[in-house]
Amino acid sequence: DQQVKQNSPSLSVQEGRISILNCDYTNSMFDYFLWYKKYPAEGPTFLISISSIKDKNEDGRFTVFLNKSAKHLSLHIVPSQPGDSAVYFCAATGTGTGSARQLTFGSGTQLTVLP
Amino acid sequence: DAEITQSPRHKITETGRQVTLACHQTWNHNNMFWYRQDLGHGLRLIHYSYGVQDTNKGEVSDGYSVSRSNTEDLPLTLESAASSQTSVYFCASSEQGAYNEQFFGPGTRLTVL
Repeated sequence: DQQVKQNSPSLSVQEGRISILNCDYTNSMFDYFLWYKKYPAEGPTFLISISSIKDKNEDGRFTVFLNKSAKHLSLHIVPSQPGDSAVYFCAATGTGTGSARQLTFGSGTQLTVLP
Repeated sequence: DAEITQSPRHKITETGRQVTLACHQTWNHNNMFWYRQDLGHGLRLIHYSYGVQDTNKGEVSDGYSVSRSNTEDLPLTLESAASSQTSVYFCASSEQGAYNEQFFGPGTRLTVL
């Protein structure tokens, strides 16, 4: 029973256009959400996060939107660049997951930005 | 610069052998985690530790063990390797407290024949 779902295994976008990566969750106790980016042969690196008290968080070209009623979040990358080509993992955490704030990850979306 | 390292980066072993994967961090983080990454599953938590002498089971802990004798290291042991444990393993660490991002190591690719 996957509590965090990324239903699109892959996404291709033209350079300069917008990339939208989606993530759904089922656990109502989740109150903090993160996006990680992973290049081949490297570990995931933190990209951006959002608390459940907000519905939007922006950092440069990256914006994360949270729709709590739909239990849905999305990552927007504008404009997309070839260097953004990577696997993007959505992760969630919340009360009851321990003091270390354990993360529950989605299965990832491979983004390919075409030049 | 502080970092988190894993060794070996690649390992091939045989079914039934004991294998230990090393994880070392110089962030001085209290929290350390082990994940495995498999296609279609993302990253799944194996074990985690909040500090020295503390260890806890994660979602997929069967067949794995960890020990925490100091702040810097959290070795992961496969007691008797199985083909189902062929995977890429990631170690991570974070500061104590809520909302602290986890920093990941580069991963170890383990193949069990």
